Amino acid sequence: KQEVTQIPAALSVPEGENLVLNCSFTDSAIYNLQWFRQDPGKGLTSLLLIQSSQREQTSGRLNASLDKSSGRSTLYIAASQPGDSATYLCAVPSTGNQFYFGTGTSLTVIP
Amino acid sequence: NAGVTQTPKFQVLKTGQSMTLQCAQDMNHEYMSWYRQDPGMGLRLIHYSVGAGITDQGEVPNGYNVSRSTTEDFPLRLLSAAPSQTSVYFCASSYLFPGSGGYTFGSGTRLTVV
Repeated sequence: KQEVTQIPAALSVPEGENLVLNCSFTDSAIYNLQWFRQDPGKGLTSLLLIQSSQREQTSGRLNASLDKSSGRSTLYIAASQPGDSATYLCAVPSTGNQFYFGTGTSLTVIP
Repeated sequence: NAGVTQTPKFQVLKTGQSMTLQCAQDMNHEYMSWYRQDPGMGLRLIHYSVGAGITDQGEVPNGYNVSRSTTEDFPLRLLSAAPSQTSVYFCASSYLFPGSGGYTFGSGTRLTVV
């Protein structure tokens, strides 16, 4: 079974700082990886989908990288803003029609 | 607005009661799924469906039933509620399968079993 781990579990940074969130997975036979954002009391919103053939995917101030061989993905957030405060989850789909989610990193950006 | 609609948003049940959590999507997605989210455990898949009339079990199916009679609807039934089923439940759908893109979540149902 795929195991997905996210470190750190919580992160607090001052506004304007660049930051990196980490995601690791045990089974490198994946075809893509997805990053989601969850605001308190809300559902998940898809941020970035990175295919296994890609090394990076960018959307605005967000950049996700994927290294299948090492079982790692990172989400880079540039020039953080208070509105970025949320929980960020990574997820890996299996061949069996399932998504395996990490437990998330709770980010707080302090004004 | 296009998306995934879950009802109710909050529910309190007594142990042994049954209920149905509703999920509807209007994006013509073939794949629909139910997750539960518990502190420290992340999201865990309960059941999923790859199309009308086709359902399968996920990681934690015990105590839950599903059916898919239409493309739009995927209700989750709790047969006899237990305190261990206290959780936040999310319905999600995508065009074909997880990771195929367009994966859309509902806003969740917070269930408390006393």
